[in-house]
Amino acid sequence: KAGVTQTPRYLIKTRGQQVTLSCSPISGHRSVSWYQQTPGQGLQFLFEYFSETQRNKGNFPGRFSGRQFSNSRSEMNVSTLELGDSALYLCASSPRELGTTDTQYFGPGTRLTVL
Amino acid sequence: LAKTTQPISMDSYEGQEVNITCSHNNIATNDYITWYQQFPSQGPRFIIQGYKTKVTNEVASLFIPADRKSSTLSLPRVSLSDTAVYYCLVYNQGGKLIFGQGTELSVKP
Repeated sequence: KAGVTQTPRYLIKTRGQQVTLSCSPISGHRSVSWYQQTPGQGLQFLFEYFSETQRNKGNFPGRFSGRQFSNSRSEMNVSTLELGDSALYLCASSPRELGTTDTQYFGPGTRLTVL
Repeated sequence: LAKTTQPISMDSYEGQEVNITCSHNNIATNDYITWYQQFPSQGPRFIIQGYKTKVTNEVASLFIPADRKSSTLSLPRVSLSDTAVYYCLVYNQGGKLIFGQGTELSVKP
């Protein structure tokens, strides 16, 4: 099976712009989660989508949003970019809605740089 | 919320066994302990998961004492390619993966 794919892999934006990142989960996986990774804060959970519905949300401002399509593909949007949004954005998929034992399979990430 | 504490960094040499201990004092009854490995500029990769006692797979072993307040990831005979950050996780309620700071393992020749 093909792994989790994320596009684009690298992105450079300027402050105030918006950005959309895309994630294609492993075939058959219905849960998609998004994470932000920075040197200072480490890996932080953004949100999880399952069956096109947001199931969980982390502590991020409303500028961060996402959605999931009927084919389980997901997009994440960040509006009004700030310098602090520069990070590696990781997407992870899982066969079912996350529970205590479910393994998540991560993609390679999208490296976003905000100038 | 369950929180994990690990050493920030560890050094080892090729061929040695490496043990990374994680403490999770307020782990819930239903929580499993999971370890992920991450290489630079890549997403984390699942290594092993367990609930109690000992779990072993082709990559590592996981030791969990009876009180489950800690766990130890054991990597046998490490090689240079095992240089990575290792995260110990306990799911919080609702299924969010809460990553701690991780342990940066450096394997030297």
